[in-house]
Amino acid sequence: GENVEQHPSTLSVQEGDSAVIKCTYSDSASNYFPWYKQELGKRPQLIIDIRSNVGEKKDQRIAVTLNKTAKHFSLHITETQPEDSAVYFCAYLSRTYKYIFGTGTRLKVLA
Amino acid sequence: SQTIHQWPATLVQPVGSPLSLECTVEGTSNPNLYWYRQAAGRGLQLLFYSVGIGQISSEVPQNLSASRPQDRQFILSSKKLLLSDSGFYLCAWKPRVNEQFFGPGTRLTVL
Repeated sequence: GENVEQHPSTLSVQEGDSAVIKCTYSDSASNYFPWYKQELGKRPQLIIDIRSNVGEKKDQRIAVTLNKTAKHFSLHITETQPEDSAVYFCAYLSRTYKYIFGTGTRLKVLA
Repeated sequence: SQTIHQWPATLVQPVGSPLSLECTVEGTSNPNLYWYRQAAGRGLQLLFYSVGIGQISSEVPQNLSASRPQDRQFILSSKKLLLSDSGFYLCAWKPRVNEQFFGPGTRLTVL
């Protein structure tokens, strides 16, 4: 079926530490895996994505890794800052053009 | 440029009243369009998606309906709102190969 599990549901880190959010998906045909950041009261914003032909992608302090064999992908945020506090959603694009979302991770960066 | 619009931004409606939310996009033709609902503090629930004019796929049986009268217009409707219809309604589109972007959202409160 079309499903993605996201962990943890909440995550608190000290400012400057790293944060890691993990997702596991079920559809082996998936080729596109985006991550969204949603601040309180705002729309989700696409922050990084990865396609199945690469194993890792970086953009400044954020990176995403993909293990297609294990059907895992993860978001890594280094040197966290208070403005990183938000809810993060992983997702994948299904073969039927739907985006299957995880349940979200509430990240709190403590100053 | 490619942009997505939603209106109204906020809406307060009585139970049993009708609903019409509109989403329009600019900058590309034949995009995939999506309606999501997000309850307070929760994840993203896909309601409808459309891969072309007149083509609507429904994900959740409920008292809502969607229509796509024009290539760049997507409308969410209800004949009679329920209390459980309250939430943050997000339109999204896929203007390019994979990336999906969200509109600003409509916050609906049903009293």
